[in-house]
Amino acid sequence: KNQVEQSPQSLIILEGKNCTLQCNYTVSPFSNLRWYKQDTGRGPVSLTIMTFSENTKSNGRYTATLDADTKQSSLHITASQLSDSASYICVLHGASYDKVIFGPGTSLSVIP
Amino acid sequence: NAGVTQTPKFQVLKTGQSMTLQCAQDMNHEYMSWYRQDPGMGLRLIHYSVGAGITDQGEVPNGYNVSRSTTEDFPLRLLSAAPSQTSVYFCASSKRGSWRETQYFGPGTRLLVL
Repeated sequence: KNQVEQSPQSLIILEGKNCTLQCNYTVSPFSNLRWYKQDTGRGPVSLTIMTFSENTKSNGRYTATLDADTKQSSLHITASQLSDSASYICVLHGASYDKVIFGPGTSLSVIP
Repeated sequence: NAGVTQTPKFQVLKTGQSMTLQCAQDMNHEYMSWYRQDPGMGLRLIHYSVGAGITDQGEVPNGYNVSRSTTEDFPLRLLSAAPSQTSVYFCASSKRGSWRETQYFGPGTRLLVL
């Protein structure tokens, strides 16, 4: 069973609409949880980072939440834009550098 | 700053051939790593380095070698390519190994092994 699961696998939304992406994890303990955005053909770019004790973090139109009790995180995108079309990846980092687990990502398509 | 650069962008190999994927960064970052990304799976750590002269294995090191002779460069070598190594490879760097540090990823190298 994957230690980090993301849903939905893919999503299509209209420009201007909001959406929420989910990340469920089983790995514990961890130091921080990051959300990355990966444009097609590019490397991932960090959007937000939260520690175990934080429950929300915003970066412009992106807001990440974390519920450590249920081991769930979500990424909410407000007023989507065409440039938001990308894969969004949830990543858990452990205490040491090599303890990193990437989720499989959610592919988001924003259409006009 | 160019950030993290990777060459080549694309490569096709035959089974058994060898090659080196190049990675360089100009941010004076101590930590560098190699990941592979396969369809439907998350990125997986192959090897990483915490500084020049120091390397260590990640989750999936078999079939790959690395070295770190300078702070800037971190090449990944495939000694005898196998079809299972068909993947997209990403190099990343960060200032330090602390979880607080953001990793900066290169654009990736797409490798096809026939």
